[in-house]
Amino acid sequence: GAGVSQSPSNKVTEKGKDVELRCDPISGHTALYWYRQSLGQGLEFLIYFQGNSAPDKSGLPSDRFSAERTGGSVSTLTIQRTQQEDSAVYLCASSLAWGRIMGEQYFGPGTRLTVT
Amino acid sequence: ELKVEQNPLFLSMQEGKNYTIYCNYSTTSDRLYWYRQDPGKSLESLFVLLSNGAVKQEGRLMASLDTKARLSTLHITAAVHDLSATYFCAGGRGSQGNLIFGKGTKLSVKP
Repeated sequence: GAGVSQSPSNKVTEKGKDVELRCDPISGHTALYWYRQSLGQGLEFLIYFQGNSAPDKSGLPSDRFSAERTGGSVSTLTIQRTQQEDSAVYLCASSLAWGRIMGEQYFGPGTRLTVT
Repeated sequence: ELKVEQNPLFLSMQEGKNYTIYCNYSTTSDRLYWYRQDPGKSLESLFVLLSNGAVKQEGRLMASLDTKARLSTLHITAAVHDLSATYFCAGGRGSQGNLIFGKGTKLSVKP
C-alpha cells in the first residue's frame, strides 16, 4: 500500500519567509510524528500527534515552529520567519497505536529545506 | 531522559568480514529499533526489538537486545557492498511516542 508521503521534496526559501511542509500518513495510522535531520544535530524529534489527544510539542525548538493535523490525517508543519539554522531535512513518520502503546514508525521521504 | 549512544560512528569494512555495531541507552527503554538510511534517502525500518533477549535476523544482519545491560547490537555477517549505508538505533519509552535516535553508524563496505 501507499507509504508516508511528504511535499514538497525540496524547498528553498529566503531568510525571514514562512514555509509550510506537508505530510500524508499511511491510511489508518493514528499517530504522526515530525523529526528533523541535520548534519550538526542528527535526528531530532519535533512533535507528535496521537488520535484526538493534545500533541506532544516538547521537541519544537522555538515558537516559530508549529504543526497541526487536520481530520486526524494530513499534517502541516509551519516554520515562521525562517532562519538559516532551520535548514535541514524534515521527516514525517506515522504508526499504528493501541491506547498508549505506539507501533513501528514508518518514515516518509522527507522535505529538504534550505534557507538562504 | 533517554539518551542513545552508538559506536562506532564510522566503520569501514572489507567484504566478507564480520562486525558489530553497538547501541547503548541510558534509561529504561521498552522498544528498540534499527533503521537503515541510504544517502539522500529516508529511513527504512530493519528491526523492532521489544523484549529482553529478543533476537531478529534478516539476511546478513542480526539484531539483539539486552535490556539489563541497556544494550542492543547489530551484527553484520560476511559483509557485502550493498550493506553500505548509515545505520541508526532508536529507543522509545512507554507512552511517549517519539523515538530518541543515536547519531548513526556510517558503514562502508569495500571490495
